[in-house]
Amino acid sequence: GAGVSQSPSNKVTEKGKDVELRCDPISGHTALYWYRQSLGQGLEFLIYFQGNSAPDKSGLPSDRFSAERTGGSVSTLTIQRTQQEDSAVYLCASSARDTIYFGEGSWLTVV
Amino acid sequence: ILNVEQSPQSLHVQEGDSTNFTCSFPSSNFYALHWYRWETAKSPEALFVMTLNGDEKKKGRISATLNTKEGYSYLYIKGSQPEDSATYLCAVNAGGTSYGKLTFGQGTILTVHP
Repeated sequence: GAGVSQSPSNKVTEKGKDVELRCDPISGHTALYWYRQSLGQGLEFLIYFQGNSAPDKSGLPSDRFSAERTGGSVSTLTIQRTQQEDSAVYLCASSARDTIYFGEGSWLTVV
Repeated sequence: ILNVEQSPQSLHVQEGDSTNFTCSFPSSNFYALHWYRWETAKSPEALFVMTLNGDEKKKGRISATLNTKEGYSYLYIKGSQPEDSATYLCAVNAGGTSYGKLTFGQGTILTVHP
C-alpha cells in the first residue's frame, strides 16, 4: 500500500503476556518512528530508527519495551510482561525528508 | 526537555466560522514545527512542516504562521466545515541528535457544528 501499515489494529491481552506490534513503513523511507498515546495523554516519543545508525531509544519507558527494524524496512515493537499502564494506541511513522507520515495505529488493551 | 503547549484544549464553532489555535514552544534549540490533523480511527494527517521564522503555509482553507523568535505558531481555518472536526496537533523537533524526536502538544479538539 501507499501508506504506513500497522498490525494488529486492535489487540487485547492479559496482564503479564508479551505482545508484538508490527509496522510496514512507506517504501523507500529511511526513517521510522514509534510513538504512543495513552488515555488523556499527548503523543509520546518511544524510539527512532534512521538508516543504519544506532536507534534513538531514549523514549522507551522501561526495559520491557524493545524494538527492531529488519533490513531497513519492517519494524516490530515488543512489549514483554505487559502491564495495564501499557494500554495505549501505538503509532508508527516513517519519513524520507521533513514530513513524517503516520499509520493508523495499533490499539492495545491490557486486561 | 522540550515543552510544547497548545491552546485552547477544545473549541466549538458553527459552520462558516473562522477559527485559530496556538502552539507555543521554547524559542531556543528549534529545528522544525509540524501541524497534524487527527480524526478518530484514522492516522494523523500531516498538514504543514515549518522551519523558517516568518514562514506562512496554506492548504485550501487552512493556513499557518510561525514565529521562532517568540516561540509560537498559529493555525487558522477559514469558513469551518463539519468535516474539519478533528484534533489538531502541533509537534516540534529540536534537530541535531534529536532530529527524529517530535515533542507533541496535547492537541486542540475542534468541533464544527452544522
